Amino acid sequence: AQSVSQHNHHVILSEAASLELGCNYSYGGTVNLFWYVQYPGQHLQLLLKYFSGDPLVKGIKGFEAEFIKSKFSFNLRKPSVQWSDTAEYFCAVSVSGTYKYIFGTGTRLKVLA
Amino acid sequence: DTEVTQTPKHLVMGMTNKKSLKCEQHMGHRAMYWYKQKAKKPPELMFVYSYEKLSINESVPSRFSPECPNSSLLNLHLHALQPEDSALYLCASSQGTSVIYEQYFGPGTRLTVT
Repeated sequence: AQSVSQHNHHVILSEAASLELGCNYSYGGTVNLFWYVQYPGQHLQLLLKYFSGDPLVKGIKGFEAEFIKSKFSFNLRKPSVQWSDTAEYFCAVSVSGTYKYIFGTGTRLKVLA
Repeated sequence: DTEVTQTPKHLVMGMTNKKSLKCEQHMGHRAMYWYKQKAKKPPELMFVYSYEKLSINESVPSRFSPECPNSSLLNLHLHALQPEDSALYLCASSQGTSVIYEQYFGPGTRLTVT
């Protein structure tokens, strides 16, 4: 069965620290990859997406993610986090030819001021 | 306007009640979705509508009945729910049903079944 794993459930960082959140998926076909963010009290918003081309994708608010096909991974990174990055982050995978998004379990990030 | 709105924000209902959740978007999107999200779990797809027709039903129990009256509105009718149906119900929309399109999510309706 297709699945998406986010191994870090809770992450606590100080401001200016670097961030890397892991995302691995278990599907061998053509996939599309997304990172969504949910700020406290707000709805899910797209951070970035990958469909094809350059495996290093840049998103909003200084986030980027790298697709490594051989590792079935799409890790999210930010060089220097801010207090306002405190949120829950979801990785999602969609399989070409289907309607479905499969979401990971989410990572709760807390950034200490 | 890149907003998906959902009403009500909170709903408490008994197991014998009938209620409806509403979702609205004015982005001209032709695909709309219902998701269910339990606490500390990821959103799980329930239904997909494409051009106002039901495209996918992810084996959802019949006590949940979706309806798409027009291209901007999506309803979820609830009847005879169980306490385990308590969750956050999210609506989303996208330009089309191809997975290359970004999904825009509403804030959700937090449902409690007593």
